[in-house]
Amino acid sequence: SQTIHQWPATLVQPVGSPLSLECTVEGTSNPNLYWYRQAAGRGLQLLFYSVGIGQISSEVPQNLSASRPQDRQFILSSKKLLLSDSGFYLCAWSRGLAGVNEQFFGPGTRLTVL
Amino acid sequence: AQKITQTQPGMFVQEKEAVTLDCTYDTSDQSYGLFWYKQPSSGEMIFLIYQGSYDEQNATEGRYSLNFQKARKSANLVISASQLGDSAMYFCAMREGGGRAGKSTFGDGTTLTVKP
Repeated sequence: SQTIHQWPATLVQPVGSPLSLECTVEGTSNPNLYWYRQAAGRGLQLLFYSVGIGQISSEVPQNLSASRPQDRQFILSSKKLLLSDSGFYLCAWSRGLAGVNEQFFGPGTRLTVL
Repeated sequence: AQKITQTQPGMFVQEKEAVTLDCTYDTSDQSYGLFWYKQPSSGEMIFLIYQGSYDEQNATEGRYSLNFQKARKSANLVISASQLGDSAMYFCAMREGGGRAGKSTFGDGTTLTVKP
C-alpha cells in the first residue's frame, strides 16, 4: 500500500529564517506530487506540482520554491520566511496517468512564522 | 478558470439524521473529476468520494453519496445517518480531466457539527 510522509509536523520559525519541508511517498512510482497551503479556516491553495524528477510548476508567485531531487521526494523551501508564509502545508500525490484520479494527502506541517 | 463554491460555512445536524453539503463548480472542461474530502481537527485530508464528469450514476461510498447535477454544475455531498465522528470540515474539489498533472481546485469548506 502507498503511504505519504511529511516532516516536521509543526514548526515555529522567525521571520527571515530559511525553510525546508520534506515529503516522501512510498509504495508507488512516478507519482504526481503537489504542495498546498491552507490558511486557517480556508480551503487549499495549490503552490507547486511536479510530474517528474526535476520538473516543477509554480502556481502562484511567492518567495517559496520546490524541488524534486528523487522520484518520490518533494521539498518545499524558502530562503527567507515572511509572516504571510504561516499556514498549514500539505503534500499530496496522485497517480500520473489520468487527471481524474484522487489525491492522497500527507499529515501536513503546521508552520508559524513569528 | 475553475472555481468551486461552497456556500455553507457551517452546518449542524442531529446525530442519526442525514445532511447535505452544497457544492457548485464552474469549468469549461468537458472532462473533470469532482471530489469530496473530510478534514478533522487533526488536519489530515481524507478522501471520501469521487464523481467523474461522464459518470451517469451518482457515486456512493457507504454513508456518503454524491448528488451530481451536471446541468446545474452542482455536486452536493449527502451524509446519511450522521455520527458524532462526522464532525469535521468538508471540502469539495475539482480536477481537470486533461493533462497529466490534474491539478485540483478546492472550495473554502463547510464545517459540519453533529449534535448528540
